[in-house]
Amino acid sequence: ETGVTQTPRHLVMGMTNKKSLKCEQHLGHNAMYWYKQSAKKPLELMFVYSLEERVENNSVPSRFSPECPNSSHLFLHLHTLQPEDSALYLCASSQTREHTQYFGPGTRLTVL
Amino acid sequence: GIQVEQSPPDLILQEGANSTLRCNFSDSVNNLQWFHQNPWGQLINLFYIPSGTKQNGRLSATTVATERYSLLYISSSQTTDSGVYFCAVEQVFGNEKLTFGTGTRLTIIP
Repeated sequence: ETGVTQTPRHLVMGMTNKKSLKCEQHLGHNAMYWYKQSAKKPLELMFVYSLEERVENNSVPSRFSPECPNSSHLFLHLHTLQPEDSALYLCASSQTREHTQYFGPGTRLTVL
Repeated sequence: GIQVEQSPPDLILQEGANSTLRCNFSDSVNNLQWFHQNPWGQLINLFYIPSGTKQNGRLSATTVATERYSLLYISSSQTTDSGVYFCAVEQVFGNEKLTFGTGTRLTIIP
């Protein structure tokens, strides 16, 4: 247990569905991150939130929409996804952006 | 951006063997972390080691920042060590972003 939880662990959705991924950290950290891990590719940073403000958006398509309502919770809202968006989506948190990141277990997403 | 290369890409060992995983990076870093991703996909932080040497049980890591590489040593391997090992670095003046290597897939055979 790293103190970072993600739900759901598995998600299958159609291209017209709308769903949300949830991440929660119980570590008192101030920075939270979304990463995407596709097969045979390095992890890609998608979004960074620091003190609930988005500080980085790595050219992610608008069909991915993050939300950070408070420092403990991070959401990734999904709509009109494509099959190539199927991947493992990992959430991480750190005390500040200069500190070690701790990862959640991930949500394995399949888009049909 | 900074390039991170890990070697070997795949490693298959008998239980009890020792292994060395390497991470080369192309620019100066102020953060380097080693992660283990288990077969269920979970990433576990192993070391935060921008320089120097650290040990934790059967695992140890050394980063030689001036020569831009880091090594992860696993001794007396166990089947639970199987998975993918990632090195991730943060470039100095690099927008505080962790860049991951493509990983080394380690398989420990009983």
